[in-house]
Amino acid sequence: DTGVSQDPRHKITKRGQNVTFRCDPISEHNRLYWYRQTLGQGPEFLTYFQNEAQLEKSRLLSDRFSAERPKGSFSTLEIQRTEQGDSAMYLCASSFGSEPFTDTQYFGPGTRLTVL
Amino acid sequence: AQKVTQAQTEISVVEKEDVTLDCVYETRDTTYYLFWYKQPPSGELVFLIRRNSFDEQNEISGRYSWNFQKSTSSFNFTITASPVVDSAVYFCALSEASLAGNMLTFGGGTRLMVKP
Repeated sequence: DTGVSQDPRHKITKRGQNVTFRCDPISEHNRLYWYRQTLGQGPEFLTYFQNEAQLEKSRLLSDRFSAERPKGSFSTLEIQRTEQGDSAMYLCASSFGSEPFTDTQYFGPGTRLTVL
Repeated sequence: AQKVTQAQTEISVVEKEDVTLDCVYETRDTTYYLFWYKQPPSGELVFLIRRNSFDEQNEISGRYSWNFQKSTSSFNFTITASPVVDSAVYFCALSEASLAGNMLTFGGGTRLMVKP
């Protein structure tokens, strides 16, 4: 069974540029999550999809961030006009179950973003 | 206030020594789940164990055991340490029924270093 995959694994960009990350969840998983992890900290929730619907967004997700899951399968996270404070590891997770809060979330390897 | 607190930031042990990782959580929900994840140097969060709030039975599984005590809001994890596979950062996480989006709230992590 293939796990969660993320692309790219590393991204270096200059301040002000736009970046887009992709996440492919475990097949058949209906829920998909994005988290951000800065150095030395635990992951922080950004947003959550059930199938193609984005059901929850953290206040950490500023207007410069947008996430989509157009067909309920893969998801993209775009950051516009990147800032140095956006430098972090962006983690994607997926899960499947009947009651959301009971699910076990399985994480991908992450995309490490460095903004110069 | 921190919802999930891991007071130990770094622990160093010798191979085959038992080490307990502490986790204290805070919630007003009566229904919730607790998780332990491991993050090796490669960066991918690996699911280890989960417990729901109605099951305080403590278990042993191979080199792992856990101690869930609602009275003290603690969910501690014990490993009989092996250097190659166990040196990593360990995160405790909480999932609460009342929160939309099935977000996991993570602690700050405990870095475990196992020496041969």
